[in-house]
Order: sequence, then C-alpha cells, then structure tokens
Amino acid sequence: DGGITQSPKYLFRKEGQNVTLSCEQNLNHDAMYWYRQDPGQGLRLIYYSQIVNDFQKGDIAEGYSVSREKKESFPLTVTSAQKNPTAFYLCASSPLDRGNSPLHFGNGTRLTVT
Amino acid sequence: AQSVSQHNHHVILSEAASLELGCNYSYGGTVNLFWYVQYPGQHLQLLLKYFSGDPLVKGIKGFEAEFIKSKFSFNLRKPSVQWSDTAEYFCAAISGYSTLTFGKGTMLLVSP
Repeated sequence: DGGITQSPKYLFRKEGQNVTLSCEQNLNHDAMYWYRQDPGQGLRLIYYSQIVNDFQKGDIAEGYSVSREKKESFPLTVTSAQKNPTAFYLCASSPLDRGNSPLHFGNGTRLTVT
Repeated sequence: AQSVSQHNHHVILSEAASLELGCNYSYGGTVNLFWYVQYPGQHLQLLLKYFSGDPLVKGIKGFEAEFIKSKFSFNLRKPSVQWSDTAEYFCAAISGYSTLTFGKGTMLLVSP
C-alpha cells in the first residue's frame, strides 16, 4: 500500500538536544510538507519542499531545519533553538499541482522535550 | 495575509442532532477548499473538497459543505450525527501559488 511513514511515533528528548524526525513516502509525490499541530492552534506549516534539493520556509520555520536529498524522504530536525519543541508533528505529501490534490498525511510523531 | 477561520473550537452534540461547523477564508480570487477530519488516534484524512462547479459538495460519511462565495464561507454540515463522528475537523484553503492554510480546528464530541 502507498502511504507516508513517520517514525518514531513517540520521541522523548532532553532540552538542548537536536532531534530528527523521519518522513518517508512511496506515493511518488513531488511535494512534501511538515506541519506542527498544537491544541487550539490547528496545523501550522514549518517547511515544505516541491522538488529534490530545494525547500522553503513555512510560517514557523525558526528552530527547525530540513533536507530533501531524495524524493521519498523529507526529514525534519528540531534544533535546540526551537523554544517550544514539544508538539505533535505531521508530515504530508501531494502531487505538484497547485493545490488541486488533497494532502496525504502520515500518522505523526509526538515529540516531548523535558 | 491569507487565513482560515473556524468559528467554534469545541462543539458538543447528542446523537441524531444536526451539525454545522463554520469556516471562513480570507483569500481573493480562485480558491480551493477542503475539510479534513482527524478521528481519535488516526491520521488526518480528507472529508471533502471544493474546486469549482456545484457549490454544494458531498463527502464521505454523509457530510456535505456549501461554498458561498459572497460570504467567503465553506461550512460543513451533517443532518444527523453519530457517536462515531467524534473527531477534530479542520477547514483548509489554498489559492494560486500559496501553500495550504488550515483553520485552528473544531473538536466535535457526540454523546450517545
């Protein structure tokens, strides 16, 4: 079955440590996205990528970094500079068709930083 | 700036009650609109979408939404909710070369 795999499901880190969240898709989608979901805040876009080796900042990119070395993979690093890293992180993908196709979401990674 | 507003953060209904969740967007021009749903413990999934044509769109599980251009609205409706409709609902919009923008979500709790 085609889909998006995020791992791990739960992640715990100490403050001051960088942590990388994995996102892999086998849907052959060009575009991939990282969202952060907080209670009462909805989904906020962190970074997105429309092509390999290129990515753009979303609305809340500070304290995060990404890479897109392969079409299938779009890992997100939460750095120690992110002031409130504890959140639920969602990865998504879609064809590159200017919003005509809905996003496909992964199951998310819940990150807790203490 | 482009934005999507959902009117209610929490809605509590009894089974068989009718549902309407409000959504307004601030985009000008052509806009594509979506409703996504997140059931407890599950990933976000598409409920329905509007691109063009008939402003009344039907989605899965008996949901429908009406696009009213003059009101910049895309409200979600269901005539009779079930306990299994308990979930968080997100309205989203995209226009032109923008990225998809989500509303803050509405948590629906249906009591049996």
